[in-house]
Amino acid sequence: GQSLEQPSEVTAVEGAIVQINCTYQTSGFYGLSWYQQHDGGAPTFLSYNALDGLEETGRFSSFLSRSDSYGYLLLQELQMKDSASYFCAVRDDRDDKIIFGKGTRLHILP
Amino acid sequence: DSGVTQTPKHLITATGQRVTLRCSPRSGDLSVYWYQQSLDQGLQFLIQYYNGEERAKGNILERFSAQQFPDLHSELNLSSLELGDSALYFCASSPEVAGGPNEQYFGPGTRLTVT
Repeated sequence: GQSLEQPSEVTAVEGAIVQINCTYQTSGFYGLSWYQQHDGGAPTFLSYNALDGLEETGRFSSFLSRSDSYGYLLLQELQMKDSASYFCAVRDDRDDKIIFGKGTRLHILP
Repeated sequence: DSGVTQTPKHLITATGQRVTLRCSPRSGDLSVYWYQQSLDQGLQFLIQYYNGEERAKGNILERFSAQQFPDLHSELNLSSLELGDSALYFCASSPEVAGGPNEQYFGPGTRLTVT
């Protein structure tokens, strides 16, 4: 079956750069999405990679390599408000099921 | 504010009972998705409706059912509730029918507690 693997926690310093990886076991999917969720809040959409390569949106970038079954979210110039959980997600192109990774909790130190 | 509304915000009920969660999508969005989020299971996709029709099904229990009405609001019905059904239930909407999951907008969630 499909599965997405992410580190459970990552710690970084304010102002630094952090990369959150997502590796997947899946035969086919439309693209890789990233969502952010603050404690007590709802997930919010960050980015989507339909094709291999890098997508940049402000301080956030996302990368996908289908040949390596791998993607990542890159957060630059970290701010305390970036402390949250980050989820990668795909939709299986055979049955349209949506699969989320278990999430990476990002801790930011001052 | 995502534009997606969910009611109620909190729900406390007993085992064996039945509850209905309601979701109104963003204006213009035809797809509605339901998710369950618990501490140990993360975000689990339950079901998607597009313009009133069931579009995709995740690991939704037989005790759970959903529908989307002509005005595009959706309801998730949970019956014969068990302690393990206690979780946060999110609804999300998007304009598209397939692909992605690209740019879904999540509601604030309904926290269900089964005692």
